[in-house]
Amino acid sequence: DQQVKQNSPSLSVQEGRISILNCDYTNSMFDYFLWYKKYPAEGPTFLISISSIKDKNEDGRFTVFLNKSAKHLSLHIVPSQPGDSAVYFCAASSYSGAGSYQLTFGKGTKLSVIP
Amino acid sequence: GAGVSQSPRYKVAKRGQDVALRCDPISGHVSLFWYQQALGQGPEFLTYFQNEAQLDKSGLPSDRFFAERPEGSVSTLKIQRTQQEDSAVYLCASSLKTGGSSNQPQHFGDGTRLSIL
Repeated sequence: DQQVKQNSPSLSVQEGRISILNCDYTNSMFDYFLWYKKYPAEGPTFLISISSIKDKNEDGRFTVFLNKSAKHLSLHIVPSQPGDSAVYFCAASSYSGAGSYQLTFGKGTKLSVIP
Repeated sequence: GAGVSQSPRYKVAKRGQDVALRCDPISGHVSLFWYQQALGQGPEFLTYFQNEAQLDKSGLPSDRFFAERPEGSVSTLKIQRTQQEDSAVYLCASSLKTGGSSNQPQHFGDGTRLSIL
């Protein structure tokens, strides 16, 4: 049973427009959410995060929104650039009870920004 | 180094062989994690170290998987008697504080792509 779901495997957006990537989760114990960006043959790169006590966090062109009641978060990229083309993973953190905060990942959304 | 370093980048082994994958975390990072990423999936947690102590190994799929971090820095993930379903990318991540911590990102290496023939 997937606890973090990214229901769109892919997304195409025109350069300069907004990209919106969505993520849903089921575990109410998640208290910290992250977005990672991944290029082929590289590891995931941390992009932006949000604590469960907030509903918005902004960093330059990237904004993450959290709706706790809906168990939904989204990543907005404005304006989108061709270099943003990558796979984006949504991840959620919860205490494992065994001494660590594990990350649970979605399957990823492949974003293509068309020049 | 500036980031998490993993070696080898690619490893091909025959079924039944043992393999060892290395991770060199960011200097000073207390927490170290191993993840397994199958094709088309997100990374899945395997195990966690706080310095040299392996505090959480709940994600290890079988007793063929073994990890160590004897001096609290470099870590090795060993897979014994490999099977075809072990084929995946193995990612290592580190973070500065204990437990990985809520409100603290994990920083990933580029992974080792393991193929079992």
